[in-house]
Parts: sequence; structure tokens; C-alpha cells
Amino acid sequence: GENVEQHPSTLSVQEGDSAVIKCTYSDSASNYFPWYKQELGKRPQLIIDIRSNVGEKKDQRIAVTLNKTAKHFSLHITETQPEDSAVYFCAASRGYSSASKIIFGSGTRLSIRP
Amino acid sequence: EPEVTQTPSHQVTQMGQEVILRCVPISNHLYFYWYRQILGQKVEFLVSFYNNEISEKSEIFDDQFSVERPDGSNFTLKIRSTKLEDSAMYFCASSSSGTGANNYGYTFGSGTRLTVV
Repeated sequence: GENVEQHPSTLSVQEGDSAVIKCTYSDSASNYFPWYKQELGKRPQLIIDIRSNVGEKKDQRIAVTLNKTAKHFSLHITETQPEDSAVYFCAASRGYSSASKIIFGSGTRLSIRP
Repeated sequence: EPEVTQTPSHQVTQMGQEVILRCVPISNHLYFYWYRQILGQKVEFLVSFYNNEISEKSEIFDDQFSVERPDGSNFTLKIRSTKLEDSAMYFCASSSSGTGANNYGYTFGSGTRLTVV
């Protein structure tokens, strides 16, 4: 069935260092891969996304890479700051079909050490 | 920026009682969803809804769940006879049709925390 695996489950990095979160997906028809940041008690907030016709996308300190052949995608946060501390979810979707559900990974709790 | 609105923000109910969670999707969106997040776990898809009918539902969405769009603005999730394990945060979401930059403008509401006691 459709599944998204995410690693690591927790990640602690020194402020200013980089953080990398990795995901794999099982549904070959997935073509849209959003990343969400969730602060405690709040809704998931989209921070960046990538479509299957693109291998890499960058937005300031955040970048995502996608290897469609291997069904891997990753989130890279550079120059981490305290406000980056949150739970991050990768996700996959058949983005071009109607009423496209989003399948979430299990989340990575990122902590930034001052 | 348009928002998906959910009410109530927190609901406490006794086991076996019926609850209705309410959502007002973004006005020009055509696709509606419910997701669930048990405390400390991932967000799980429950159901999608389009053109006044269910498009897809997950294994979680069993006979005790139902969805309805009773008027032009509200989208509700009903749990007929709540169980302790239904305690979770329930997120509504909506999306538009077309080829929006972020998956048809997929937007989550702020959630309803349901506590079954």
C-alpha cells in the first residue's frame, strides 16, 4: 500500500549547523512531495514542496532533493536557527489527480541547540 | 490569506456520545478532506470529498464516521459513537482544482482537539 518512511525520528543539531531529513515512498504514482513544519498544538504548515519533474528546489535556507528512480526525497536546512525547532513531516501525493490525499511520514522532531 | 476555519477548537465528550466537528473550507475550493493526528503521531488521512460525495476513504474511516456538506459553506465530520481511541486532533483541509503551485492550494485548518473520556 501507500507508505512514506521518514528518518530520523529525532534530530538535534547545533545552531548554525545543517539538518537533513530523509524520506522514502512506496507509491510509484506519487508526483508531488510537500514538506510540513508543525509546532506544538498547531496545524501543519507547508514550508516547501517539489514535483516529480524537478530534482531539486531551494528556498533561502531550505532545499529539497528528489530521486524519483530510488523513491527518495530529502529536506536540507542550512544555518539552523532556534525557530527551526519543530516537528517536520515529509509527505507524498498523486498531486495531479482530483481530491488528492496526502500521505505523511512519521515526523522528525528537530531541536536546535543554542 | 484565505483560511480554513474549524470549530470547536477543543471538544470533550463522553465515550459513546456522538460528536460533530465543523469546518468552513476556503470559499472557491472544491475538494475537502479530513485528517487525524493522535498525540505525538503522524497525520493520517481519513476521507476526501468532492461533488457532494466521498472520493476516497481510509481504513480508519469506518461506519462510525460520516461526512456531510449540509450547505454551501460547511463541511462536517460526524463520529456516531465515540471511543477512547478517537481522541486526537482532527484537521480539515481543502484544495482547489487546476494547477496551483502548491498542490491546488491545499490548506489545513487549525484543528479540533477531540478528547473522549
